[in-house]
Amino acid sequence: TQLLEQSPQFLSIQEGENLTVYCNSSSVFSSLQWYRQEPGEGPVLLVTVVTGGEVKKLKRLTFQFGDARKDSSLHITAAQPGDTGLYLCAGAPVSSGSARQLTFGSGTQLTVLP
Amino acid sequence: ETGVTQSPTHLIKTRGQQVTLRCSSQSGHNTVSWYQQALGQGPQFIFQYYREEENGRGNFPPRFSGLQFPNYSSELNVNALELDDSALYLCASSLTGYNSPLHFGNGTRLTVT
Repeated sequence: TQLLEQSPQFLSIQEGENLTVYCNSSSVFSSLQWYRQEPGEGPVLLVTVVTGGEVKKLKRLTFQFGDARKDSSLHITAAQPGDTGLYLCAGAPVSSGSARQLTFGSGTQLTVLP
Repeated sequence: ETGVTQSPTHLIKTRGQQVTLRCSSQSGHNTVSWYQQALGQGPQFIFQYYREEENGRGNFPPRFSGLQFPNYSSELNVNALELDDSALYLCASSLTGYNSPLHFGNGTRLTVT
């Protein structure tokens, strides 16, 4: 069974601060995705990283996939109240046939205070 | 482009009852996956349907079953409901292709009493 551990579980910061969320596993993933989920809504895909060592930037968000494809991080620069939400990482296994069986972390609940 | 829609949005059932949840895929998407998200947890994969057949299943008992219809819409059925089945049930549609992004609906909140 593949597991993804996310840390921290909760994060409350002031507007303008920087933060990093971590996603770690002992298993190798073929790709890793980051989602953001707001109350009463489904997760919305932010980014997919596929190659070990890959770095992707989405405005103030920087995503990195570990060299061994076992871990990932999400860094937010100058956080804003609109960044508040549940951030989820999800890994696609190296082989699961044709099924897109994503393994999700338990999430990081981010609150950015104005 | 119509997104993924799920119905109902909320549902209250009694232990031992059966429930059917429905999902309409995003236009053009031929693959549907179902996930269970307990409070304070990340989603857990239940199963996936492609071309009306189940082609992947997570660690869920047989009382969780599903269907996919020719128009790619889908149903999740749960028999003999247990208190621990209380959760947000999410449907996600996608195109074929291993790295095709999943598009989630807003889920059905099931409460079992």
